[in-house]
Amino acid sequence: DAGVIQSPRHEVTEMGQEVTLRCKPISGHNSLFWYRQTMMRGLELLIYFNNNVPIDDSGMPEDRFSAKMPNASFSTLKIQPSEPRDSAVYFCASSTHLNTEAFFGQGTRLTVV
Amino acid sequence: GENVEQHPSTLSVQEGDSAVIKCTYSDSASNYFPWYKQELGKGPQLIIDIRSNVGEKKDQRIAVTLNKTAKHFSLHITETQPEDSAVYFCAASIGSGGGADGLTFGKGTHLIIQP
Repeated sequence: DAGVIQSPRHEVTEMGQEVTLRCKPISGHNSLFWYRQTMMRGLELLIYFNNNVPIDDSGMPEDRFSAKMPNASFSTLKIQPSEPRDSAVYFCASSTHLNTEAFFGQGTRLTVV
Repeated sequence: GENVEQHPSTLSVQEGDSAVIKCTYSDSASNYFPWYKQELGKGPQLIIDIRSNVGEKKDQRIAVTLNKTAKHFSLHITETQPEDSAVYFCAASIGSGGGADGLTFGKGTHLIIQP
C-alpha cells in the first residue's frame, strides 16, 4: 500500500483565499484524523471520523475550518477564509477499526501570506 | 480533556549511550500510549506503543515503561545511533475496540546523537 496520501505537499496562498487540503487514507482503514502541527502548539487533533462519520470536531479552531469525508477513500479539510495564523503543517492519519496505531501522511505545509 | 506533558524538550547524548524521554498524562481513563518518531519533512511514525494492562514493553533497542498509578510513561533507547536523531512524541488516548480515538500528543523531544 502507498500509505496515507496527502495533497498538495505545499500550498502558499493569500489571506482571505479558500484553501482545500486533501487526504486519501490507507485502504481498509475505518478511522481518519486531521492534525495541525506548529512550533508553538505542537501536534493538535482537529477532527476525526469513524466510518466516514465525524466523531469529534472539538479541536477545529473556528468556523472557518470545515472537514468532510464523502466516502471511505477521501477526505478534505477546508479553510475559508484563510488567515496568516493558519500557517502550519497539516497531517492526515488513518487507522483500522480495532487497532489504534495511526499511520500519518507526509503532511501539507500551508503558508498564508 | 487529556493533557500530556513531555520532558526534556531537547536531549543530546553521545553515540552508544542511552536516552530517556519522560511523559505524564492527566486523564486516568487513557489506556493507550504510543511513541512516534518524526524526521525532518516527514510525518510522525509509530516506533512502539503500550497499553494500560502492561507495565513494560521492549523491541530491540527501544523500550517503554508505564506507571498507571503515577500516570507517567517513559521511552528508553539504548546503544543510540546517528539514525536515532529525530523528534520523538509521546501520546495518549482512550483507545477502544469499537473504534479508534484521537491522540493527544506531548510537545516533542528533539533527540540529538553526538558522534
